[in-house]
Amino acid sequence: EAGVVQSPRYKIIEKKQPVAFWCNPISGHNTLYWYLQNLGQGPELLIRYENEEAVDDSQLPKDRFSAERLKGVDSTLKIQPAELGDSAVYLCASSLDRRNEQFFGPGTRLTVL
Amino acid sequence: TQLLEQSPQFLSIQEGENLTVYCNSSSVFSSLQWYRQEPGEGPVLLVTVVTGGEVKKLKRLTFQFGDARKDSSLHITAAQPGDTGLYLCAGLYPLNQGGKLIFGQGTELSVKP
Repeated sequence: EAGVVQSPRYKIIEKKQPVAFWCNPISGHNTLYWYLQNLGQGPELLIRYENEEAVDDSQLPKDRFSAERLKGVDSTLKIQPAELGDSAVYLCASSLDRRNEQFFGPGTRLTVL
Repeated sequence: TQLLEQSPQFLSIQEGENLTVYCNSSSVFSSLQWYRQEPGEGPVLLVTVVTGGEVKKLKRLTFQFGDARKDSSLHITAAQPGDTGLYLCAGLYPLNQGGKLIFGQGTELSVKP
């Protein structure tokens, strides 16, 4: 069974440019998470989806970040415009539901120059 | 504010030595999870402890949940180079407190042959 798929794996952009990350969760997993992981730190939750509904986006900087999970399957996280401080690894995870184990994708490493 | 304090942040030891990683919080969790993350990959769940005082063993790894469910430890016996990686603890808040999973900042372990 395929795990959580993320693309791209690496992205280098200049500041003020837009960028988008894509995540395809494990088939049948209703809950999808986006995390931000800075170097030397643990992941921090940005947003959690239950099917297509964003039920916890309190840590998402809504002035520049947006996310969607149309049809309750794959998801896209967007940053516009990107800032230098956005350089980090963006992890996607999924679980059957919020009570079950989360499975993480490999992440997208973003570098903003 | 770091809600889950993990120590030490870095640990470099020789093959065959023992080590302990600590995870402390002032919050009570419904469960405590330990993950291992390798470079360029997402975290992978090692174990979940649920009951206060619970001890779980995974080969040379021993995990303990504190009696008050606020802290946990990971002990590795006779460390091997293959144990090298980032170890993360994560506390799951009860559902009536949001049910969010929060991570410690991680312990970077290097085991030299």
